[in-house]
Amino acid sequence: AQSVTQLDSHVSVSEGTPVLLRCNYSSSYSPSLFWYVQHPNKGLQLLLKYTSAATLVKGINGFEAEFKKSETSFHLTKPSAHMSDAAEYFCVVSGSSNTGKLIFGQGTTLQVKP
Amino acid sequence: NAGVTQTPKFQVLKTGQSMTLQCAQDMNHEYMSWYRQDPGMGLRLIHYSVGAGITDQGEVPNGYNVSRSTTEDFPLRLLSAAPSQTSVYFCASSSIGEQFFGPGTRLTVL
Repeated sequence: AQSVTQLDSHVSVSEGTPVLLRCNYSSSYSPSLFWYVQHPNKGLQLLLKYTSAATLVKGINGFEAEFKKSETSFHLTKPSAHMSDAAEYFCVVSGSSNTGKLIFGQGTTLQVKP
Repeated sequence: NAGVTQTPKFQVLKTGQSMTLQCAQDMNHEYMSWYRQDPGMGLRLIHYSVGAGITDQGEVPNGYNVSRSTTEDFPLRLLSAAPSQTSVYFCASSSIGEQFFGPGTRLTVL
């Protein structure tokens, strides 16, 4: 079975400082992993995805994530936070290689202070 | 390309009423899914479909029905609405890899 755990429900950073959102996963096979962002009262937007190519994945808006199999982690980082980054972030693992099912983490709310 | 569309955007129901949430996609994707989003719980899979005529249950299927008569449409039916079904509902479609999400339907059951 697949599962994903986001280690922080809320993260607060100051504008211009680094962002780290932590995610651990469990999967019985080589997983596909995703990070999605949801701004208030909006739908979900894909930030980046890992599908067994390079372990360091670059996404949109300066975000990147590193797949670490030994640690079963897929943490999301950004060198310098912007006010517009304030949103909810979801770490997601594919539930199966063939069905398109996704297993979502509980979400991390990122607050960016001026 | 309209992508994934959902109607209605908002809906208020009384307990016991039935309704259908509509979802359509124009990307010719085989896979379609319905999720519900509740505070602090992320998105949970309700039902999914791997192609026309094929559906299966997800994590939280009770109280919901689906059918998939065409590739494009994947409606979600609430048979007898309950307050516990108050949530935001997202439809998604995918081929291989990225899932594309609709804008969501905010449902309140009184």
